[in-house]
Amino acid sequence: DTGVSQDPRHKITKRGQNVTFRCDPISEHNRLYWYRQTLGQGPEFLTYFQNEAQLEKSRLLSDRFSAERPKGSFSTLEIQRTEQGDSAMYLCASSLRQHQETQYFGPGTRLLVL
Amino acid sequence: AQSVTQLDSHVSVSEGTPVLLRCNYSSSYSPSLFWYVQHPNKGLQLLLKYTSAATLVKGINGFEAEFKKSETSFHLTKPSAHMSDAAEYFCVVSDLGNQFYFGTGTSLTVIP
Repeated sequence: DTGVSQDPRHKITKRGQNVTFRCDPISEHNRLYWYRQTLGQGPEFLTYFQNEAQLEKSRLLSDRFSAERPKGSFSTLEIQRTEQGDSAMYLCASSLRQHQETQYFGPGTRLLVL
Repeated sequence: AQSVTQLDSHVSVSEGTPVLLRCNYSSSYSPSLFWYVQHPNKGLQLLLKYTSAATLVKGINGFEAEFKKSETSFHLTKPSAHMSDAAEYFCVVSDLGNQFYFGTGTSLTVIP
């Protein structure tokens, strides 16, 4: 257990529904990252926050995806109008800004879109 | 642009024999390089990292990796495989800690 928690761990939804995932980083970590991992692939970067500011977004993050970190603590990732191609593991990681190269990963949320 | 190529998608070794997992990287900057391990149904765990200090990096569980700039490689090794080493291993390159680029992974099987 790295200290990063994610909720829910599993989510099954129907195509077209909206889903929201939550990530709670290690409490003193000011950087928070979201990744997506599909079967047989490595995690792909989606976005990251430094405190409450979203500093970078991947082109993978379509306009159906939105992430927030309103108070610089926990973060949410919302997917609107889900598609079957959104089925994946969504991973959250956190780090300290002064040790930003060392990320601690949560267990992930596995999404299945039917 | 940053990227990593893991040269083997699957590696099988016998218990007690050496492990070699190969990784080549591409980076426009002086890279930071990492190896992560992912056991089934568990989160990613950092094995070791290179951030421009010593080129031979020692990690947890007896793993080590050597940064070779001339070969743009960062191969992961372990002298003697243990059954508990069976997992998926990811090589990762980072540009200044802002984005992290994962390889496609190498699945390590350890044969008793």
